[in-house]
Amino acid sequence: DVKVTQSSRYLVKRTGEKVFLECVQDMDHENMFWYRQDPGLGLRLIYFSYDVKMKEKGDIPEGYSVSREKKERFSLILESASTNQTSMYLCASGGSGGAYEQYFGPGTRLTVT
Amino acid sequence: AQSVTQLDSQVPVFEEAPVELRCNYSSSVSVYLFWYVQYPNQGLQLLLKYLSGSTLVESINGFEAEFNKSQTSFHLRKPSVHISDTAEYFCAVSDRSGGYQKVTFGTGTKLQVIP
Repeated sequence: DVKVTQSSRYLVKRTGEKVFLECVQDMDHENMFWYRQDPGLGLRLIYFSYDVKMKEKGDIPEGYSVSREKKERFSLILESASTNQTSMYLCASGGSGGAYEQYFGPGTRLTVT
Repeated sequence: AQSVTQLDSQVPVFEEAPVELRCNYSSSVSVYLFWYVQYPNQGLQLLLKYLSGSTLVESINGFEAEFNKSQTSFHLRKPSVHISDTAEYFCAVSDRSGGYQKVTFGTGTKLQVIP
């Protein structure tokens, strides 16, 4: 069965802290994505990666960075967390070629106080 | 640029009644269309998708959606809902942009099934 796992389900951090969110997929997918989900705004793409060490900005990259050192792992980094980054963060992966569906992890609910 | 509009943020419906969740999209190129479902405290999972061919697509749990190119719509329907269908539903569109497929999600519709 396909699986995308995220390192934490719930996380509470203080303003200014550096935050790492990790995502691992076991489907050998080339593409991986980070979204944030906020009520009334749906899913917004932060960053995505189509290959190891490759990354592309999504719609809302400000305040975030990413790292993809291995094909199965995609990390989201908040360099200096702020209260407006309190949100649900969803990781997804998908294959390449043709139309592909995305497989999502369970999400990390991050609270920045 | 592509976009997805889900006009209804919440849809309450009685158990065993029919339901339609509306989705309209805009895109300048050919598209692929998806419906995802998110149960409480879970990630999204694919419900059904339209890639090509028959404009009516079905899921294993009784949902169906029809691609209407002239109206740029992909509404989701179920003739008789169950309590277990209570969830948030996201419509998504994908087209080819810059050599990769960007997926744009709608803002979601919360389906509340009332016993």
